[in-house]
Amino acid sequence: EPEVTQTPSHQVTQMGQEVILRCVPISNHLYFYWYRQILGQKVEFLVSFYNNEISEKSEIFDDQFSVERPDGSNFTLKIRSTKLEDSAMYFCASSGDRGYSEKLFFGSGTQLSVL
Amino acid sequence: GNSVTQMEGPVTLSEEAFLTINCTYTATGYPSLFWYVQYPGEGLQLLLKATKADDKGSNKGFEATYRKETTSFHLEKGSVQVSDSAVYFCALTRGNQFYFGTGTSLTVIP
Repeated sequence: EPEVTQTPSHQVTQMGQEVILRCVPISNHLYFYWYRQILGQKVEFLVSFYNNEISEKSEIFDDQFSVERPDGSNFTLKIRSTKLEDSAMYFCASSGDRGYSEKLFFGSGTQLSVL
Repeated sequence: GNSVTQMEGPVTLSEEAFLTINCTYTATGYPSLFWYVQYPGEGLQLLLKATKADDKGSNKGFEATYRKETTSFHLEKGSVQVSDSAVYFCALTRGNQFYFGTGTSLTVIP
């Protein structure tokens, strides 16, 4: 079965540094998402992306966050100046033919630790 | 608002035991309800879903029934296996968003 790939699996960074989390969605999918889960808390929606632009974003997704699909295969999440509270597991997801397809395919996540 | 509350873990069971993981929801209108599972080292995978009241979702021996009167979608399995050890997430959709619970970790011991 096709899968969503995320790299790296673990990322450690210093507070104030920029990080880029990378995702390769399933190749024929059109909708892309980032979610995150702070340890012990719920999985939270960050942003959805379609047709090379953000279609929806949550309150968490402030000016420190940005997303990009630079080359038609990768989908990246950038955090410009990381804070301690950005430490979380970040999940990328993609879906096929609808903006709210009920089957999201998730990657295995990137564990981000901000020191 | 829209939210999902699921029972806290971790849950440890012996092989062949009965499993229930409770999930209740708050939502406007009529959401679709889901259980996702995350096996160690992997991403979240759809386990089962139900789209309207009284629907029963089932897959791999797991079942959950959409109960509108109790706003619940409890996950059950009659006889768990070691391979069922994973984290289970209850979720709902409203509009274009998924709302997930915190996840319940299940460990099944031989």
